[in-house]
This record gives sequence, structure tokens and C-alpha cells, in this order.
Amino acid sequence: EAGVAQSPRYKIIEKRQSVAFWCNPISGHATLYWYQQILGQGPKLLIQFQNNGVVDDSQLPKDRFSAERLKGVDSTLKIQPAKLEDSAVYLCASTQGTEAFFGQGTRLTVV
Amino acid sequence: ELKVEQNPLFLSMQEGKNYTIYCNYSTTSDRLYWYRQDPGKSLESLFVLLSNGAVKQEGRLMASLDTKARLSTLHITAAVHDLSATYFCGGGTASKLTFGTGTRLQVTL
Repeated sequence: EAGVAQSPRYKIIEKRQSVAFWCNPISGHATLYWYQQILGQGPKLLIQFQNNGVVDDSQLPKDRFSAERLKGVDSTLKIQPAKLEDSAVYLCASTQGTEAFFGQGTRLTVV
Repeated sequence: ELKVEQNPLFLSMQEGKNYTIYCNYSTTSDRLYWYRQDPGKSLESLFVLLSNGAVKQEGRLMASLDTKARLSTLHITAAVHDLSATYFCGGGTASKLTFGTGTRLQVTL
């Protein structure tokens, strides 16, 4: 079974630029999460989708972050404009049931 | 809002000895997860605990859950170098999963 796919693996951008991350969850998984993991910390939930609807986006900085999952499968997370403090690993996870599976993550460096 | 606390944050382990990591959570959680993360890698699922008294074991790792005390433990038996990693516990419901800050384990000879 293929796992959660994310791209790109690494991204370096200047502050105030825009960036987008892509996630393809495990086939058939209705729930998709985006997490932000700052170095040395635990993952922090940004947004959760159930199919193509948003379940929880309470911790998403909506002035600069946006996410969509238009067809209930793939998802994109965008940051515009990026700040230095957005440097982190962005993890996508999916679940259908009790176990959540994580992708390899996208490491973002904002300079 | 669920808060998850782990301790210790860092654990230096001697090979062959036994250790325990503790995970406390603040409100009702219908599931408790343990994940392993190697440097630069993603999170690897170790255990999912769903009920009070649940105990799961895989190799040298054993996880247990006490929902009344809102406590989960990860016990390491006879530590080996391969176990060096950061371990996260996470709790929540089907709709939200909240992680602790992680416990970094380092096994020394």
C-alpha cells in the first residue's frame, strides 16, 4: 500500500515570497491533516479535512495560510507571504479509522 | 482543549537498562498514540491505544493506557542503540489529534 506522498521535500524561499505544498493521502482515507513541526517541538495541527470539507482550522493563521482539498483527495497548503517564523517541517497525515499515517514532510526554510 | 505533556523531555539511556516515558493528557481522549521520529524523518506509528487498561508490546517497547489517570506510559526493556530517536505521544478524538513536545531518547554504550 502506498503511503502519504508529499512534495516538494525541501523548499528555500525569501521572506514575503509565496510557497505551496502538495499532499496525496493514502487511497480511500477520508480524513487529511496538515501539521507544522518547528525544530525541537511536537507537530501542531494547522487544518483538518473530512473529504473536501474543513473540520478544524482553528490554529491556521488565516491571514497568510490557506489550504484546500477540492476533490476530497489531494490537498495543497499555501503560505503567502511567508515569514521567517514559518520555517518548519510541514507534515501531511491521513486516516481512515484509528491510525494516522504521516508523509515524509516538506522542510521549509524562509530566509 | 486537550493538552498533552510528556516527561522526561530528554532521556540518556544505558544499553541494557529499562526506562519509562510518561504521557499525561488534560481532558478526555478516546485514543492515545505513540510515534517514533528519527532525525530528518517523518513520524512512524508505534502504538494506538483505544481503551482503559490497554497494553501493547512490540519488541522492546510496551505501551499502556490508564484513562482514569489520563496517563500513558512507554516502557523500554533492555535499551539498545537502535531505539535512539524522539518519541511522541498524541491524544484526541477522531476529529483532532494533539501531540506532546516529544521525548528525545539517546542510548549510550
